[in-house]
Amino acid sequence: EVQLVESGGGLVQPGRSLRLSCTASGFTFGDYPMSWFRQAPGKGLEWVGFIRSKAYGGTIEYAASVKGRFTISRDDSKSLAYLQMNSLKTEDTAVYYCTRTVGDENYFDYWGPGTLVTVSS
Amino acid sequence: DIQMTQSPSSLSASVGDRVTITCRASQTISSYLNWYQQKSGKAPKLLIYAASSLQSGVPSRFSGSGSGTDFTLTISSLQPEDFASYYCQQSYSTPITFGQGTRLEIK
Repeated sequence: EVQLVESGGGLVQPGRSLRLSCTASGFTFGDYPMSWFRQAPGKGLEWVGFIRSKAYGGTIEYAASVKGRFTISRDDSKSLAYLQMNSLKTEDTAVYYCTRTVGDENYFDYWGPGTLVTVSS
Repeated sequence: DIQMTQSPSSLSASVGDRVTITCRASQTISSYLNWYQQKSGKAPKLLIYAASSLQSGVPSRFSGSGSGTDFTLTISSLQPEDFASYYCQQSYSTPITFGQGTRLEIK
């Protein structure tokens, strides 16, 4: 059974950093791109970015709203994906989801339950 | 960026009703359109990918159609567990973008 679980969320002050982890199980992690999304309270879904599998160069793309502040990485040996968030802003407050990404079609077939990040002083 | 526009934003319907939600892309996206269901406090769930392919385990009352810029999600006979929010998402190009969502409520 495919499972994804995010961890690392919490309350953080503006300007500080936080790292989220996504622990995957039930599939060959290294074969899949992994993506991050977020959802601000009461709002819609926003793509944060993704990291391709090593077979596709492990390249990474980001949304403009987080580019230069957030970094996505992966450790295939541990079936982990990470979202390093620096210079956090109040508008980064959201539930953050990691997802398994299906290849060229770029759809997201499994989602973690999410972890809440609150940026506030 | 490709803008995705869903309509309606909210919808009231009864159990057994046939419901259609539409999604329009600001430019052609071929069939790179996916639909998700989200229940309150839960993660989204993939329903339809590539415009019309039913994700494994999703009931057959859900169907998708369209290509180019105009797409629809149809629920043929609403069940109590279908009352939720629905989002379309384009995967034609980055940035990946979603429609604003359609909230389906019980009449």
